[in-house]
Amino acid sequence: TQLLEQSPQFLSIQEGENLTVYCNSSSVFSSLQWYRQEPGEGPVLLVTVVTGGEVKKLKRLTFQFGDARKDSSLHITAAQPGDTGLYLCAGGTYNQGGKLIFGQGTELSVKP
Amino acid sequence: DAGVIQSPRHEVTEMGQEVTLRCKPISGHNSLFWYRQTMMRGLELLIYFNNNVPIDDSGMPEDRFSAKMPNASFSTLKIQPSEPRDSAVYFCASSLEASMNTEAFFGQGTRLTVV
Repeated sequence: TQLLEQSPQFLSIQEGENLTVYCNSSSVFSSLQWYRQEPGEGPVLLVTVVTGGEVKKLKRLTFQFGDARKDSSLHITAAQPGDTGLYLCAGGTYNQGGKLIFGQGTELSVKP
Repeated sequence: DAGVIQSPRHEVTEMGQEVTLRCKPISGHNSLFWYRQTMMRGLELLIYFNNNVPIDDSGMPEDRFSAKMPNASFSTLKIQPSEPRDSAVYFCASSLEASMNTEAFFGQGTRLTVV
């Protein structure tokens, strides 16, 4: 069974701080997606990474896919209150169509 | 496009009653997914359809759950009879195709409470 473990589960920081969220698995994934979910809403895609070692940047957010495609990280620089939300990683494999395995999520709170 | 539309947004029902959740995917999307989200188990895929055909229902918890997609613009998830442990937020999502790289667009979810 493929599982994705995220850490930390909860993170409360002050505005301006940097943070990193990790997504780990013992299984290899063909792709890794990161979603952000706000209260009362569905998850919204932030990025998809598909190549081992790939790094993608989205403004203050940096996403990395591990070389072995078993892990990923999300780094936020100078966090802002607007970054508050639930961050979810989701792994896909090429022979399972659109089936995504989601991690438990990291609940981020950025205080002004 | 209005995005994925789910109804109702909230549903409170008594144990044993039938519950039907509804979803209208984004027009032109060929794949539709039903997920369940709880604090304990996170976001779990229940079933997904490609071109209105169920492809993988291995996540459906038991026979009390059933899902249909009679046409490209409508899907239902039914629970009969409902139990308190079914309480969760149920999300419907759609994508252009059932590919690992394709973005899934989620609805706002239906919060189900079974008392």
